[in-house]
Amino acid sequence: SQQGEEDPQALSIQEGENATMNCSYKTSINNLQWYRQNSGRGLVHLILIRSNEREKHSGRLRVTLDTSKKSSSLLITASRAADTASYFCATDANNAGNMLTFGGGTRLMVKP
Amino acid sequence: DGGITQSPKYLFRKEGQNVTLSCEQNLNHDAMYWYRQDPGQGLRLIYYSQIVNDFQKGDIAEGYSVSREKKESFPLTVTSAQKNPTAFYLCASSMGGWMNTEAFFGQGTRLTVV
Repeated sequence: SQQGEEDPQALSIQEGENATMNCSYKTSINNLQWYRQNSGRGLVHLILIRSNEREKHSGRLRVTLDTSKKSSSLLITASRAADTASYFCATDANNAGNMLTFGGGTRLMVKP
Repeated sequence: DGGITQSPKYLFRKEGQNVTLSCEQNLNHDAMYWYRQDPGQGLRLIYYSQIVNDFQKGDIAEGYSVSREKKESFPLTVTSAQKNPTAFYLCASSMGGWMNTEAFFGQGTRLTVV
């Protein structure tokens, strides 16, 4: 069973525009993480937000977390063609030890 | 350089054969994970291990087996009981502990049944 589900499944934007991806989850969590995957490669960690945090920034990335709605969003500002990738949220649920559960991902295409 | 290494990058299996995928990390991480990824899909957890000599089934463990005899190594065997093994397999590790579970991933092994 997948804890997290991303929305939209696919997103296509022009370079310079902002990209917003959403993640919803089902059970209470310790933290939520966002990862990026280039085609055919492993995942790279982008940002971790703890359950007691509401917003976090890292460069052009902004992550929000709403535990009351069990949802998170990832905003990439001023997108570049190099941001083209799949983006996944992952949760570390309170009742699942250290098990990380991933959503289905959002496939982002940034057109030059 | 510290990191997590998967081998081989590509693997071909004949029907009825068992194959073993290697995953090694030198990050001194306690927790290790195996995920399966099908084309255009997310990651599904096969097995995970929080400590040496202990491992737990994930969501799709049937047809797979693992061992964790050393902290650095978490090999995955795809057995003949796995009827549809063609997929991209990803290994990951993390420090463990509920406050710090950023995972580091290998570059993956693409398994194809021929």
